[in-house]
Amino acid sequence: AQSVTQLGSHVSVSEGALVLLRCNYSSSVPPYLFWYVQYPNQGLQLLLKYTSAATLVKGINGFEAEFKKSETSFHLTKPSAHMSDAAEYFCAVSSMNTGFQKLVFGTGTRLLVSP
Amino acid sequence: NAGVTQTPKFQVLKTGQSMTLQCAQDMNHNSMYWYRQDPGMGLRLIYYSASEGTTDKGEVPNGYNVSRLNKREFSLRLESAAPSQTSVYFCASIMGLAASSDTQYFGPGTRLTVL
Repeated sequence: AQSVTQLGSHVSVSEGALVLLRCNYSSSVPPYLFWYVQYPNQGLQLLLKYTSAATLVKGINGFEAEFKKSETSFHLTKPSAHMSDAAEYFCAVSSMNTGFQKLVFGTGTRLLVSP
Repeated sequence: NAGVTQTPKFQVLKTGQSMTLQCAQDMNHNSMYWYRQDPGMGLRLIYYSASEGTTDKGEVPNGYNVSRLNKREFSLRLESAAPSQTSVYFCASIMGLAASSDTQYFGPGTRLTVL
């Protein structure tokens, strides 16, 4: 079975600092990996996804993530945090089940950005 | 193009009452999902529908039923609500049937409290 572990339920950074949100996955087959963001009282929005085309994936709002097979990781980074980045971030792995996508989500990391 | 819409946005029920959560998408997507989100647990799949006329159980289906009324609409019914069903419910849709790399699009959620 596939699974995702997000280390740290809360991450605090100062505005302008590096953002690093950690995600490790477990999968017996090559995975597809996703990062979603959830702003307060809203639904989830795709930030970026890894589909095996390139190991370094660039997403919206200046975020990027690097797929490292040897470390089974897909960490999310942003060089300089903005106040507007404060949100909850979810890592997810795609599982094929009878030819149908089912996402398995991590428990989420809440990013807090201070002035 | 409204994307994925959900009604109602908020609902308070008493234990034992029933209700139906509505979801509709206008993107001509084939597949739809219902998730629940609880603090510290990420999103968990309740039911999904690979195509019009088909539905299948996800990770936490007990206490719920679903109907895929047509290609656009996918409803979730609580027959006899329990306090354990207090949660935020998200509907999502996806274009493809089998591609693991497709993106799921989420609605804004329904916040349900069962007293």
